[in-house]
Formats: sequence, structure tokens, C-alpha cells
Amino acid sequence: EPEVTQTPSHQVTQMGQEVILRCVPISNHLYFYWYRQILGQKVEFLVSFYNNEISEKSEIFDDQFSVERPDGSNFTLKIRSTKLEDSAMYFCASSAPSGLDTEAFFGQGTRLTVV
Amino acid sequence: AQSVTQLDSHVSVSEGTPVLLRCNYSSSYSPSLFWYVQHPNKGLQLLLKYTSAATLVKGINGFEAEFKKSETSFHLTKPSAHMSDAAEYFCVVLPSGGYQKVTFGTGTKLQVIP
Repeated sequence: EPEVTQTPSHQVTQMGQEVILRCVPISNHLYFYWYRQILGQKVEFLVSFYNNEISEKSEIFDDQFSVERPDGSNFTLKIRSTKLEDSAMYFCASSAPSGLDTEAFFGQGTRLTVV
Repeated sequence: AQSVTQLDSHVSVSEGTPVLLRCNYSSSYSPSLFWYVQHPNKGLQLLLKYTSAATLVKGINGFEAEFKKSETSFHLTKPSAHMSDAAEYFCVVLPSGGYQKVTFGTGTKLQVIP
């Protein structure tokens, strides 16, 4: 079974520092997503990415966030200047092209702790 | 536009009794539907998925779900709850065709009472 992998599994950073969360999506998938889940809260959509550009972003995804697919395999989420409230579990996902067997795969998540 | 509604934020069952977690969806396109489980402080684990094949889908750990287009529902069931089933469950919809956005339900926390 193919899988989406995320690294690191846990990252601790100081407030104001930049962090990059990494994801390796399924190789033939075309759509990529980032979600986050603040502890004890629901899973929130951040951004979707297709054809090397952002398809949609939520109001959470402000100027301190950016995404990139730098080398055709990795999909990264950068937070420029982290705040305490950015502490959350961040999930990456990818989905297959449209068709009968559309499915989405999620990574195991990166737990970001901002101190 | 699409949406997912999980009708119960918390469900409590006794061990050995049936589990029913409800999910209704709306989608402009024929959707794929998923149930994910998240144990405390863990990532998301796929339980089962519906992708336009059989409407009754069997997943891991004895869970199954039935896609009912007429009711726009995809409820998750299990005949007999086990203590290890205590977790949060998310219903997820992904439309086929066109722009795809994975949409999460708000989650249902399942408590299993010994």
C-alpha cells in the first residue's frame, strides 16, 4: 500500500523561528494538501496545491505560511515566524487524479510545538 | 461545493454492543468517501473507503460502512465495540472530477465503557 510520509514526526521550535515541514506524497498523485489540528480541536484545512500553484487556501493560511514543491517529490509547508498558536499536528495529504478510483492518502503528521 | 456533517460529536457505547457513527455529505460530484480513525496523540489511520465500487465497504478492525446515495449518508458501524476502538473518527469526502478538495467532518469521539 502506498503511503505519504512526513518528516519530522515531532519538531520543537522557539517562537519567531522559521520551520519547514516536509512531506513526500504518493508518486503519481497530482493534488496536495496541508491540514492542521490544534490539540483537542477539529482538523482544519490550510491549503491545497495543484499544478505547481495554490488551488485554494483557508483564512488560516496567511502570509507567514507558504508551500512549495521544490523537486517534484517533496511538498513542504514553511512557517516563517512561528507563534505559540501555531503549535498543532500538521497533516499532509495527496490525492489521485480524477476518476473512478479517486482516493486521498494522509501522512502520519508532524507535531509542531512552539515554545 | 461540498460538506461533511458528522451528526454526533460524542458517542458512548458499552463494550460488546454495536457502534453507529453517522456521517452525511453533500457534493457536486460523485464523491469518494473515507473514514479515518485517530487514537490519542496519534496520526490518521484509514479505516475504510468508498470509491464507486460496492456500496457496502468493509474496513479494518471489523468496521464497515454503507454508501447510500439517496440519503447522502456514509454511516460507520461495527457489530461489537472493543475497548481499543475508543478514539476519534473522521468522515472525509473527496469529489471525483474537477478540482478536488478533501473535506473533513468535525469528528466523533467514541467512548467505550467496560
